[in-house]
Amino acid sequence: GIQVEQSPPDLILQEGANSTLRCNFSDSVNNLQWFHQNPWGQLINLFYIPSGTKQNGRLSATTVATERYSLLYISSSQTTDSGVYFCAVEVKRTGTASKLTFGTGTRLQVTL
Amino acid sequence: EAQVTQNPRYLITVTGKKLTVTCSQNMNHEYMSWYRQDPGLGLRQIYYSMNVEVTDKGDVPEGYKVSRKEKRNFPLILESPSPNQTSLYFCASSFLQGGTEAFFGQGTRLTVV
Repeated sequence: GIQVEQSPPDLILQEGANSTLRCNFSDSVNNLQWFHQNPWGQLINLFYIPSGTKQNGRLSATTVATERYSLLYISSSQTTDSGVYFCAVEVKRTGTASKLTFGTGTRLQVTL
Repeated sequence: EAQVTQNPRYLITVTGKKLTVTCSQNMNHEYMSWYRQDPGLGLRQIYYSMNVEVTDKGDVPEGYKVSRKEKRNFPLILESPSPNQTSLYFCASSFLQGGTEAFFGQGTRLTVV
């Protein structure tokens, strides 16, 4: 099946710093989403981004589908950004929806 | 507001006592699925449904049942829970057309003692 690798696995930032998280995948995809899992375990949708670039406040994401990677940028980080960030992909095939395959995540800790 | 609602959020139960985790979505999505999340194993799909009365096994279906009698609801049933089913569970939904955005519920943290 498709392989989804995220880097770095762990990241510690001081509040106000910027960071880039990377997601590499091994096959063509229909769908790519970024999630933030907060300390209470909730999965928060950040971006639906099968291709192109999107921005939402301090966060932005870029997916280059032809090169099979996606980047999540966090600027001016805040302590509330702490948690685990997941990239998830849906393998490209004709027809109906299929499962999302999740990466192993990047654990981010933002300190004061 | 578009959302996927799971209940309960937290549950502690004993081995062998049947339980149901409910999932409901208000976006008229055809495709619904259940995932479990375990340390070191990530999120894995348990069951999925492409529409009413159409369900199929995912990657880790053993010990679980599902039903899809109505489009909006997709309950997860544990007939005889065991401690190895202690996990964080998520329900998700999307349109049937491949490549559409998936929405996740808030999660259900289940402990089986």
